[in-house]
Amino acid sequence: DTEVTQTPKHLVMGMTNKKSLKCEQHMGHRAMYWYKQKAKKPPELMFVYSYEKLSINESVPSRFSPECPNSSLLNLHLHALQPEDSALYLCASSQGLVGETQYFGPGTRLLVL
Amino acid sequence: DAKTTQPPSMDCAEGRAANLPCNHSTISGNEYVYWYRQIHSQGPQYIIHGLKNNETNEMASLIITEDRKSSTLILPHATLRDTAVYYCIVRVAGYGGSQGNLIFGKGTKLSVKP
Repeated sequence: DTEVTQTPKHLVMGMTNKKSLKCEQHMGHRAMYWYKQKAKKPPELMFVYSYEKLSINESVPSRFSPECPNSSLLNLHLHALQPEDSALYLCASSQGLVGETQYFGPGTRLLVL
Repeated sequence: DAKTTQPPSMDCAEGRAANLPCNHSTISGNEYVYWYRQIHSQGPQYIIHGLKNNETNEMASLIITEDRKSSTLILPHATLRDTAVYYCIVRVAGYGGSQGNLIFGKGTKLSVKP
């Protein structure tokens, strides 16, 4: 089983709202990732967690705040987003060390009005 | 930046083999070749990876040239459901750090036609 789940599937939010994206995996993976994908572009890495600690932040603005409450769960807290933040947000996980094969969830499609 | 070059698009007839090329002329000795695909509006799906030997699984075959500067992903009997963007990525595997990151290029849009 290589399933990564993400909720919600779709999200519409205003620029003053606070919302959270959720990602879950039950494969025993210890590395988890957030990617952002704009329309007709490839995915771009945002954050990497390894053993529940943030190991990579690709210079992401502070209006995106990741959280890894436990080894199975990864959240992305959103606050004061801009319309240009509208994108598909993808979560992935990998077993053990960062750099192992990553398995992706279906994504959350976010629209910021 | 992505370390690979792929054709932007390809067509394939349903039932025929789809051969997707990838050029990675600057690949290092400890870098693997990974292939993912992304069907429209879904998350990327892992297909296969290899270091220097050819690899085969239930989805595809990966042929890597002896000098490792290029590779070909083969879908032996393409179906309409294989229509997707295919990404070829080189990366260091089993390494904690930015060298292990997946850096997606533009990929090849494969259209399988009836």
